[in-house]
Amino acid sequence: LAKTTQPISMDSYEGQEVNITCSHNNIATNDYITWYQQFPSQGPRFIIQGYKTKVTNEVASLFIPADRKSSTLSLPRVSLSDTAVYYCLVGDGSSASKIIFGSGTRLSIRP
Amino acid sequence: EAGVTQFPSHSVIEKGQTVTLRCDPISGHDNLYWYRRVMGKEIKFLLHFVKESKQDESGMPNNRFLAERTGGTYSTLKVQPAELEDSGVYFCASSPLEGANLGSPLHFGNGTRLTVT
Repeated sequence: LAKTTQPISMDSYEGQEVNITCSHNNIATNDYITWYQQFPSQGPRFIIQGYKTKVTNEVASLFIPADRKSSTLSLPRVSLSDTAVYYCLVGDGSSASKIIFGSGTRLSIRP
Repeated sequence: EAGVTQFPSHSVIEKGQTVTLRCDPISGHDNLYWYRRVMGKEIKFLLHFVKESKQDESGMPNNRFLAERTGGTYSTLKVQPAELEDSGVYFCASSPLEGANLGSPLHFGNGTRLTVT
């Protein structure tokens, strides 16, 4: 099962760009990389997904190097409302049971 | 569109009692998943329905847990009898396509916080 490793916590300030890196050394050929955001008392919310190179949407960018053993979620110009836990998941979608939520990264944004 | 809704949001029961959690997925989503996070642990997969059929129930902890999805719409998760270690937050998620990664991310509800005393 593909496991991910992320920093337990990160701090930043409003207006800054935040980059959260996730390691997934044993990612399989068919695995995609997906990031979720979770606020207290809410369920995880999909942010972005990618397979290789770079993906960008209205919320974030996802950078994936050629070897795909890591990925970086980039949040541009964060605000206080971006304070949340961010999860990096990998899996090929063949079975939901194979997609593992790790401990996530607790991001705290300060004024 | 309405999101995934779960009921109740909180439940406090005594050890040995029965509790039934309900999940209403997004309309039209054939895939429904149950997850849970027990105190201090990571979010763990419980099971996956495709319509009314159990596709994967490898994460169900024991036979005190029973999940159903009659008619392929809403789902219930019953815990009988509840034990102290069942306390945690139970999340439901749905997706339109099979496969939680291939272009079909999961849409989660806000969870049911279960406390067994």
